[in-house]
Amino acid sequence: NAGVTQTPKFRVLKTGQSMTLLCAQDMNHEYMYWYRQDPGMGLRLIHYSVGEGTTAKGEVPDGYNVSRLKKQNFLLGLESAAPSQTSVYFCASSPLDPYYGYTFGSGTRLTVV
Amino acid sequence: SQQGEEDPQALSIQEGENATMNCSYKTSINNLQWYRQNSGRGLVHLILIRSNEREKHSGRLRVTLDTSKKSSSLLITASRAADTASYFCATDAQGGSEKLVFGKGTKLTVNP
Repeated sequence: NAGVTQTPKFRVLKTGQSMTLLCAQDMNHEYMYWYRQDPGMGLRLIHYSVGEGTTAKGEVPDGYNVSRLKKQNFLLGLESAAPSQTSVYFCASSPLDPYYGYTFGSGTRLTVV
Repeated sequence: SQQGEEDPQALSIQEGENATMNCSYKTSINNLQWYRQNSGRGLVHLILIRSNEREKHSGRLRVTLDTSKKSSSLLITASRAADTASYFCATDAQGGSEKLVFGKGTKLTVNP
């Protein structure tokens, strides 16, 4: 019962480099999300997906792209990293019924220097 | 923009005491959820209360919802050191329950 798995857990990037964060869930959830968490800002939604092959923008989508080619995976890409993207990134998934809430991964701590 | 706002930002109590955290939101909701985050970890879902419910219990947790005041409270009774964490409320105000908006959280410290 892995739940939501995020890789990598830590990463340091240089400004301008690109990378992909991987999120995998084994609960057959329909919905998946990417949030970023910054001190004093709470969690802010970057992008989300309501099903395989679909994605939508959240509150802070600029500088990020996502893909959901398979139901269990949700990828977050940074094409050209900037210091403002230094943050902790959380992936989450949820079923159609909101009663059980979101299941979160353990996070990816990204530093852009 | 943030939908839910927790109050207080930080709370420090002694073990055995009750802890109360409040959440205010701005627009109509379908449901409101509370989550806990231990330091360095992901968020964990605690409880969901629907807009037509006024109170809900789960173990030592009691959640109330007042839709007329657009506010909710989370009460943790007989707190333990293990309850030390940040607590977030989340609402689905932006068009549907598939997309939650989180507040900035209340940091609770329970001293042994």
